[in-house]
Amino acid sequence: AQSVTQLDSQVPVFEEAPVELRCNYSSSVSVYLFWYVQYPNQGLQLLLKYLSGSTLVKGINGFEAEFNKSQTSFHLRKPSVHISDTAEYFCAVRKAGTALIFGKGTTLSVSS
Amino acid sequence: DAGVIQSPRHEVTEMGQEVTLRCKPISGHNSLFWYRQTMMRGLELLIYFNNNVPIDDSGMPEDRFSAKMPNASFSTLKIQPSEPRDSAVYFCASQNPSGGLTDTQYFGPGTRLTVL
Repeated sequence: AQSVTQLDSQVPVFEEAPVELRCNYSSSVSVYLFWYVQYPNQGLQLLLKYLSGSTLVKGINGFEAEFNKSQTSFHLRKPSVHISDTAEYFCAVRKAGTALIFGKGTTLSVSS
Repeated sequence: DAGVIQSPRHEVTEMGQEVTLRCKPISGHNSLFWYRQTMMRGLELLIYFNNNVPIDDSGMPEDRFSAKMPNASFSTLKIQPSEPRDSAVYFCASQNPSGGLTDTQYFGPGTRLTVL
């Protein structure tokens, strides 16, 4: 069975600092990987997705993620965060015939 | 496009009452998903439909929960009778048919349900 582990439940950072949100997945078959963001009192919005090809994926709002097959990881990064990046971030995995499986989420808190 | 529309945005009810949550997917999307989000369990898939047909309802907690999709533009999630442990935010999402497995799911704003 598939599963997704987000290693940090909360990540506090200062504005303009770099950030990495970690995600590991377990699956015996090839999967597709996603990062979603949820701003307060809103639904989820797709940040980026890895389907195939280049392992470095660029998304919206300056975020990027790197797929590492050997480490079964898909960590999300941003070189310089803003206050407006404060939100909850979800890693998700999907394989053929199934719906998305989400991690528990990581709360990113950016302060000045 | 207006995006995925959910109603109501907030619902407060008493234990034992029937609750109906509604969802209107993005026009042209033929896959629809219902999720539940709680602090304890995170975001869980309850059920999803393709072309109005339920494909996987293994996430539906128990018989008190039921979901329907009578046409391509409307779906309901019903809880009868409701219990305090059903309190959560319920999300609906829809997906474009052309992209298949890899395409993006678009989420609605959610319904925050509180059962007293």
